[in-house]
Amino acid sequence: SQELEQSPQSLIVQEGKNLTINCTSSKTLYGLYWYKQKYGEGLIFLMMLQKGGEEKSHEKITAKLDEKKQQSSLHITASQPSHAGIYLCGASFHNTGKLIFGQGTTLQVKP
Amino acid sequence: DGGITQSPKYLFRKEGQNVTLSCEQNLNHDAMYWYRQDPGQGLRLIYYSQIVNDFQKGDIAEGYSVSREKKESFPLTVTSAQKNPTAFYLCASSTRQGDNEQFFGPGTRLTVL
Repeated sequence: SQELEQSPQSLIVQEGKNLTINCTSSKTLYGLYWYKQKYGEGLIFLMMLQKGGEEKSHEKITAKLDEKKQQSSLHITASQPSHAGIYLCGASFHNTGKLIFGQGTTLQVKP
Repeated sequence: DGGITQSPKYLFRKEGQNVTLSCEQNLNHDAMYWYRQDPGQGLRLIYYSQIVNDFQKGDIAEGYSVSREKKESFPLTVTSAQKNPTAFYLCASSTRQGDNEQFFGPGTRLTVL
């Protein structure tokens, strides 16, 4: 959706390197959700952000939502092969339950 | 174990035929959703339901139909009117609208021959 843009579209990193994936909205977000997907499988929920400036971490993955609530970044520290997959951001713009998704970022981690 | 199940995992259909994809959840969630995923396009919302016997069109509802007769079940029918039905279909559910994460099923890959 043009309302939500992810970058980069794909990423190849060496194991142990850090990386960042960005998700930019054309309008103010109500909520921002990060998911991970293995090819051909369902989505696994990672984190949800709602407040401007909010930051959450889970193991080596950190997600932030900027103060204006129009951009989020997902940062992986010391990447491992288990981090490989497709990362998708989903956004709600009102309290409706409907989510708009970005096109996804495919991550490969080389051992 | 609580979760969402989708069946079948793979589905093949001849052009011109309707086909129904199953989605069942035992999470006691009120809301359920159907998405379509195509390569490089992320997920697009087909239909969603906030409560039994009620559902709304998403962004790409044309050629699809749904029903929500039971809280646990939200089947999706891909009709012959859908011009490009080959895709990966994902079902999701959530406790309520707006502020909770959606839980996803494993998906059904539909191929039209």
